[in-house]
Amino acid sequence: GQSLEQPSEVTAVEGAIVQINCTYQTSGFYGLSWYQQHDGGAPTFLSYNALDGLEETGRFSSFLSRSDSYGYLLLQELQMKDSASYFCALHGSGNTGKLIFGQGTTLQVKP
Amino acid sequence: DAGVTQSPTHLIKTRGQQVTLRCSPKSGHDTVSWYQQALGQGPQFIFQYYEEEERQRGNFPDRFSGHQFPNYSSELNVNALLLGDSALYLCASSWRTVNTEAFFGQGTRLTVV
Repeated sequence: GQSLEQPSEVTAVEGAIVQINCTYQTSGFYGLSWYQQHDGGAPTFLSYNALDGLEETGRFSSFLSRSDSYGYLLLQELQMKDSASYFCALHGSGNTGKLIFGQGTTLQVKP
Repeated sequence: DAGVTQSPTHLIKTRGQQVTLRCSPKSGHDTVSWYQQALGQGPQFIFQYYEEEERQRGNFPDRFSGHQFPNYSSELNVNALLLGDSALYLCASSWRTVNTEAFFGQGTRLTVV
């Protein structure tokens, strides 16, 4: 089967940089995505990595290393509104649209 | 441009009852996937509909069934509700089954009492 592990909680201060790690176990996958979800809200897409390396989108960057079965989401210049849950998600092999989500990391940004 | 819309937003049902949840995909999207998110957990894939057929299914019992209409909207039906079915049910849409970005609705919060 497929499984992903993320830290359950991360705390950081406004303006800082925070990294949320994601390790996974899978026999094959197409890519790794990151989603943000505020309390009771819809998950929203942040970033996607199909290949190894860093993808940058504004204040957010995501990294993937297939050889290490590891990825991370980097959030820079943290703002209070970044307080939310962050999920890494595997795209199944064949890129059929099925997403396997991790348990999520709750980020608390403090003033 | 309306995003993914789901109805109802909240629902309370009694154990043993049946429930139908509805989803309208984002304009231009033809594929709908359903997810169940228990409190404090990540979303779990239930199934995916494309061209009015179930294309993929996660590890959910047959009590969970669905349908996709010609206008690409979709329904999720759950029969013989259990207390453990209480969760946020999320609908995600995309263009074709191959996608890098899924657009999620706000979800339906189902409480089974």
